[in-house]
Amino acid sequence: DAGVIQSPRHEVTEMGQEVTLRCKPISGHDYLFWYRQTMMRGLELLIYFNNNVPIDDSGMPEDRFSAKMPNASFSTLKIQPSEPRDSAVYFCASITGGRGYTFGSGTRLTVV
Amino acid sequence: DQQVKQNSPSLSVQEGRISILNCDYTNSMFDYFLWYKKYPAEGPTFLISISSIKDKNEDGRFTVFLNKSAKHLSLHIVPSQPGDSAVYFCAASPGTGFQKLVFGTGTRLLVSP
Repeated sequence: DAGVIQSPRHEVTEMGQEVTLRCKPISGHDYLFWYRQTMMRGLELLIYFNNNVPIDDSGMPEDRFSAKMPNASFSTLKIQPSEPRDSAVYFCASITGGRGYTFGSGTRLTVV
Repeated sequence: DQQVKQNSPSLSVQEGRISILNCDYTNSMFDYFLWYKKYPAEGPTFLISISSIKDKNEDGRFTVFLNKSAKHLSLHIVPSQPGDSAVYFCAASPGTGFQKLVFGTGTRLLVSP
């Protein structure tokens, strides 16, 4: 199994631009999570899906953030427009039952 | 409001000695606790967990202790090895069945030879 796959690994963009982060969960995993890692707040849950349906998006910081999961093998996190304070490492994780998440390697986003 | 707190951002230990990483939580509904380890440029990986019905769980060099009355847990690594140098995240989950994990801010452990 290739694990949870995220792309791109690094993204540098200018303030105001749209950014799209991508995630392919492990096949058969029915929960998908988007987390953001910052020094101040650690790993924050942004949103999670169950069977492709968004269940809890209370962690999404602003309307500039949106996430979709059009099918069981793909999810996107979009920031439009991006701001410097969005700079962080964004992780995707998936599980099937249980509580042990499998994380992807993350996308390091820098907004200048 | 940080429900899971790791008050030490960093810890330095010599190889062979014990590393003790601490974690405090505020939500009394949390009943399952996990530690994740993260190397640079990689995602966090599961290390060890403990249910609230236990006060200790051991896996090789890693032991997690839970003090429910104090809402405190700790991870002990004995003996520490340079390869243990990483960021360690504490996480907690409430209730039964599937619940989302709440993570702390992490502690960076450096084990020097």
